[in-house]
Amino acid sequence: EIVLTQSPATLSLSAGERATLSCRASQSVNYLNWFQQKPGQAPRLLIYDASNRASGLPARFSGSGSGTDFTLTISSLEPEDFAVYYCQQLSRWPLTFGGGTKVEIK
Amino acid sequence: EVQLLESGGGLVQPGGSLRLSCVDSGFSFSSSDMSWVRQAPGKGLEWVSAIQGSDFKTYYTDSVKGRFTISRDNSKNTLYLQMNRLRVEDTAIYYCARHSWASWGQGTLVTVSS
Repeated sequence: EIVLTQSPATLSLSAGERATLSCRASQSVNYLNWFQQKPGQAPRLLIYDASNRASGLPARFSGSGSGTDFTLTISSLEPEDFAVYYCQQLSRWPLTFGGGTKVEIK
Repeated sequence: EVQLLESGGGLVQPGGSLRLSCVDSGFSFSSSDMSWVRQAPGKGLEWVSAIQGSDFKTYYTDSVKGRFTISRDNSKNTLYLQMNRLRVEDTAIYYCARHSWASWGQGTLVTVSS
């Protein structure tokens, strides 16, 4: 099983600041997604295949990385961006999610 | 826009069974790979099971193998998850999702408790 380790667990930032979220895989993966989840809501796809923005996603969100190290960057946090973010690998069964990073208001 | 609607959750005793359903209102359900993903209260996301659209091949996370069965009825655009021998640790919101991962249901709550 591929283990995804997300860091930090919690990121305390102010609106307008830059957020950098990390996802590290225990083995090399080719397909990695990023999701955002707000309380009481289903996850929302942000980034697929490591760096492709989902339809309608604002340009302040970007994904990068390859192999075992991946990054989700929010260039300037908007109030609606405070949420929990998960990475997911689709390279090998079983599919796995990271433990999540909570982006909270400082 | 694809809409997924889960049902079938509820309260069940340990050792009991439930069958979840997920109706897909979109096009091309029969060719879509589908998954169930769960989220225990206050915890992160956990992938549970998947079924391919092309050949109905199935996949499971280790903790549910031998207890859960995923299936689909393409004539009804419906995905199922039969859950047997339920455990307290299966308590979670269960979501269905297309493997575009852009379409998710709203989730159905399964509570396993005596």
